[in-house]
Amino acid sequence: DTVLTQSPALAVSPGERVSISCRASEGVNSYMHWYQQKPGQQPKLLIYKASNLASGVPARFSGSGSGTDFTLTIDPVEADDTATYFCQQSWNDPPTFGAGTKLELK
Amino acid sequence: QVQLKESGPGLVQPSQTLSLTCTVSGFSLTSYNVHWVRQPPGKGLEWMGRMRYNGDTSYNSALKSRLSISRDTSKNQVFLKMNSLQTDDTGTYYCTRDRGSWGFAYWGQGTLVTVSS
Repeated sequence: DTVLTQSPALAVSPGERVSISCRASEGVNSYMHWYQQKPGQQPKLLIYKASNLASGVPARFSGSGSGTDFTLTIDPVEADDTATYFCQQSWNDPPTFGAGTKLELK
Repeated sequence: QVQLKESGPGLVQPSQTLSLTCTVSGFSLTSYNVHWVRQPPGKGLEWMGRMRYNGDTSYNSALKSRLSISRDTSKNQVFLKMNSLQTDDTGTYYCTRDRGSWGFAYWGQGTLVTVSS
């Protein structure tokens, strides 16, 4: 299975820019997606196919990358962005998720 | 609008079988794939398996021997059955719909399953 590696946690101040990385153990083309999950809620799709903003998601969120290295960027970060962010690939079967990056605001 | 809702018992005894139902609306099960994803408390997301639009199924190899996914298109329902439950099967179980290979765009609210005697 394709293993996705994310850094476990980040802490940033409101108004700053933050980049969350996801590295795949094998190529996934551009089929990497990003989700935001707040405590007690289901995951929410933010970015699909590496760089496409999902419906209703603020333009402060953006995604980039292809192959094995991907990045989710939030600029500027707002207090409401406190959450855990998961990457997920759908190029190789089975679909797999990263372990998540917990974003905290200072 | 697209909606998915999981239902099932909140408590299951060890070694017993878990049965969950995902009831969908706003789309046809014969047009889209529905997946099951679970999340242990405080941990990450694990893909369990899928019911394809054409009725085919795929499973996580780690769960394949215990897991079965089926559907009733007339009732707009997808079912999950998993046997031999243990305490580490405790978690929130989600059903979700994909948009082809473009990620899981729609999620149910999730149902918490606790495995305990």
